Amino acid sequence: DAKTTQPPSMDCAEGRAANLPCNHSTISGNEYVYWYRQIHSQGPQYIIHGLKNNETNEMASLIITEDRKSSTLILPHATLRDTAVYYCIVRVVDATNKLIFGTGTLLAVQP
Amino acid sequence: GAVVSQHPSWVICKSGTSVKIECRSLDFQATTMFWYRQFPKQSLMLMATSNEGSKATYEQGVEKDKFLINHASLTLSTLTVTSAHPEDSSFYICSARDKGSGRRAGANVLTFGAGSRLTVL
Repeated sequence: DAKTTQPPSMDCAEGRAANLPCNHSTISGNEYVYWYRQIHSQGPQYIIHGLKNNETNEMASLIITEDRKSSTLILPHATLRDTAVYYCIVRVVDATNKLIFGTGTLLAVQP
Repeated sequence: GAVVSQHPSWVICKSGTSVKIECRSLDFQATTMFWYRQFPKQSLMLMATSNEGSKATYEQGVEKDKFLINHASLTLSTLTVTSAHPEDSSFYICSARDKGSGRRAGANVLTFGAGSRLTVL
């Protein structure tokens, strides 16, 4: 699976959009980008995934660059409850299904 | 949506005892479940893949005799920490893949339990 690089931490003001970057310059053509988040002392929560098109759901938007070497997760209106560690994971869809987590980005939403 | 339940959510035990943690998929069947361990301020580390009706597959460096995994049914996997020691104190999290619907269908989307915090005295 391709390696991902994320900033260790970010701050965001409540009500503003939070833009979390992820670099995956070695991504291959059949690898998807997944985003999960983990609120303190809880299990991770799936947010969104994509292959090459931008995606949006009720939680967030995922913007993938045309060369697919990086992506940005956007939380349009961050709230205090969005404070969490956000993990960007790149991998193929295969029978093993297992996910390997990197270090992620700690997003702190400030009041 | 898919729900994965873990029990107990926290447990304290004495050194040398064994502790069992259960992971259940509540509204779907899971032929495969995954066990992770997380130390404070660290990321999740995959320990093993639990396969229904067969032996678990352990990641490199994880002692299979120390962490016994049993996946006896399509909705239940158990992790037993045998002869626990203080260094085994950690947050243990399980996950499972449900077939999902819409865009989640066919994707590697895992549903995670809330975790079980083990403290070994």
